[in-house]
Amino acid sequence: GAGVSQTPSNKVTEKGKYVELRCDPISGHTALYWYRQSLGQGPEFLIYFQGTGAADDSGLPNDRFFAVRPEGSVSTLKIQRTERGDSAVYLCASSALRNTGELFFGEGSRLTVL
Amino acid sequence: AQTVTQSQPEMSVQEAETVTLSCTYDTSESNYYLFWYKQPPSRQMILVIRQEAYKQQNATENRFSVNFQKAAKSFSLKISDSQLGDTAMYFCAFTPNNAGNMLTFGGGTRLMVKP
Repeated sequence: GAGVSQTPSNKVTEKGKYVELRCDPISGHTALYWYRQSLGQGPEFLIYFQGTGAADDSGLPNDRFFAVRPEGSVSTLKIQRTERGDSAVYLCASSALRNTGELFFGEGSRLTVL
Repeated sequence: AQTVTQSQPEMSVQEAETVTLSCTYDTSESNYYLFWYKQPPSRQMILVIRQEAYKQQNATENRFSVNFQKAAKSFSLKISDSQLGDTAMYFCAFTPNNAGNMLTFGGGTRLMVKP
């Protein structure tokens, strides 16, 4: 596609529910990143994929968070048993080149846990 | 671990004037990249400018330029001839050369350009 696409744009859920957030990267980009941005703060790294595999998941806060990228393109971030503290904007980015820092971001998915 | 600090939560500037946003970072790495990203209300982060640590020359992109002081671990962004469309959050970010583009971001500076 022309850019990184994230769905849904906004998601409101209740505490304890399961949520999936989807990211469709720029076609041909092999690297894909998930960041979480809490209100008034900078993005925090969650996980990064190179192809189908998670190259680094050190930013995932706990085992309620999981992400997959089965075919090396679309990725899904999965959050189980959501908590109010999970409320944030979840940003996805993709990159074609390694080690240049040029990431292309989507517009994010705003998650609100009531 | 790397840290990035932006000490100015908010800044304002008159249209057509110049403004400088500050950023400091802490790292033990010798080879790395530094960036400024812009985040307008649409939430989409857009790369403004990039600096490679091994280059002494400061990066410039049209109205945007940086002052990179490696010894002081300082990386400020200067916006010249500010435009209303420059109103946004600005984030300074860092990545070591061998980190697969995993960026560490600062807390951001909200810039308001006034007509």
